[in-house]
Amino acid sequence: DADVTQTPRNRITKTGKRIMLECSQTKGHDRMYWYRQDPGLGLRLIYYSFDVKDINKGEISDGYSVSRQAQAKFSLSLESAIPNQTALYFCATSDSKRGGTAAEQYFGPGTRLTVT
Amino acid sequence: AQSVTQLDSQVPVFEEAPVELRCNYSSSVSVYLFWYVQYPNQGLQLLLKYLSGSTLVKGINGFEAEFNKSQTSFHLRKPSVHISDTAEYFCAVSYSGGSNYKLTFGKGTLLTVNP
Repeated sequence: DADVTQTPRNRITKTGKRIMLECSQTKGHDRMYWYRQDPGLGLRLIYYSFDVKDINKGEISDGYSVSRQAQAKFSLSLESAIPNQTALYFCATSDSKRGGTAAEQYFGPGTRLTVT
Repeated sequence: AQSVTQLDSQVPVFEEAPVELRCNYSSSVSVYLFWYVQYPNQGLQLLLKYLSGSTLVKGINGFEAEFNKSQTSFHLRKPSVHISDTAEYFCAVSYSGGSNYKLTFGKGTLLTVNP
C-alpha cells in the first residue's frame, strides 16, 4: 500500500463549485504540504503544516484553504473553483526528526483537477 | 530569497549516451540541495541530496550530482542513460539554518531518452 495517498486522483468540476482534495499518510510524519504543479512552472507551495495545530500559508495560498484533521490527514479545499486552478496537485510529507529542512519529502501520486 | 534555475526545459538524448541536467541556485546562506524525479503519471521521488561533506553525491539509478559552491551549481549527471530514465527532473533547494521549511523547486527538465 502507498504511504501517501490522495483522493480523488482525477476530478472535473465547474466554475464556482467547492471542492476538497484529501491526503492521507501512513508514514507517521509530522509535516505535511500541498503543492500545485503547472506545466513549465515546477511545483509551488500552497500550504504547509508542521503539526495538527500549526498551519501556514505558502507562496500561492489565495483561493485555497486547508484542514489538518489528524496527524495523518491534510485536506485542501477550493471554496469557489476557477479555471486557472486547473492543475496537478500534490500532497507531501516529511519527518522533522530526520533533519528539519534537510529531510526528504515524500510525495503522493497527485490529483489532476480540471475546472471548466 | 532563494531561487533555482534549471537551464534546460527539455533534454533529448539517445539511449546509452551521457547526460547532464543543469541546475543553478541563488542564496546568500548555506543550503541543502536535492534532485527529484517524476516518472509519467507519478508523484516525485528523491534521486539524491547534498547536505554537507563530499561535493560528489551519488543517488539511485546510477545518477550523481556535484555541488559547486563557487559556481552555485548542482548539476545532475549519468554516464549512460536508459529508455526508463525518461522523466521530468526537478532541482530543489532549502536553507540549512533555522527552521525555514521552504523547499524551492526549479521549473523542471524533461529528459527524453530515444532508442
